[in-house]
Amino acid sequence: DVKVTQSSRYLVKRTGEKVFLECVQDMDHENMFWYRQDPGLGLRLIYFSYDVKMKEKGDIPEGYSVSREKKERFSLILESASTNQTSMYLCASSLRTGAPGANVLTFGAGSRLTVL
Amino acid sequence: RKEVEQDPGPFNVPEGATVAFNCTYSNSASQSFFWYRQDCRKEPKLLMSVYSSGNEDGRFTAQLNRASQYISLLIRDSKLSDSATYLCVVNMYSSASKIIFGSGTRLSIRP
Repeated sequence: DVKVTQSSRYLVKRTGEKVFLECVQDMDHENMFWYRQDPGLGLRLIYFSYDVKMKEKGDIPEGYSVSREKKERFSLILESASTNQTSMYLCASSLRTGAPGANVLTFGAGSRLTVL
Repeated sequence: RKEVEQDPGPFNVPEGATVAFNCTYSNSASQSFFWYRQDCRKEPKLLMSVYSSGNEDGRFTAQLNRASQYISLLIRDSKLSDSATYLCVVNMYSSASKIIFGSGTRLSIRP
């Protein structure tokens, strides 16, 4: 019954490595999101996408990029990982704004990234 | 000013108590409001949407005050299973979906 799948639950990377976090949803949702969650800071929006090949910056896009080549897949890319990107990364999806049930997010289980 | 602000707590209350959380948001054009619940080491899950007229779901009541730009959540007759972090969530735009979370309020119910 899994609806939003994040490819890796735990990753350990070295500073400077390129990191790909993959997220796939099977609910035919238009919107997809990447957040990071840190103690005391809550969930912070990195990027979101409302359609294939469309992307919008969230509140903390620096150091990240995203790719949405297919509707069901939204990838988060760390071009050169740094220690301050150690965090829990959460992917979510929702129906498009205006649709019944819009903006209700379904989350993946999260990917805990440690950058050494 | 943060886009969505919550009191981080923690709130530590006895079972059966009534507890209320507030949340303020900065963008007066925001259209959609929600409360999510997050258990320890789990992903957030929708608790309830917040409607302009206020809404209730069992022991939970959510209210929206657009004039003052705040949202509230009231939990009556609290249970041990209500212990969690409660996240206030706002869709900042009316035509797109920039969905912003507050930092969460931690609630602990004691027997």
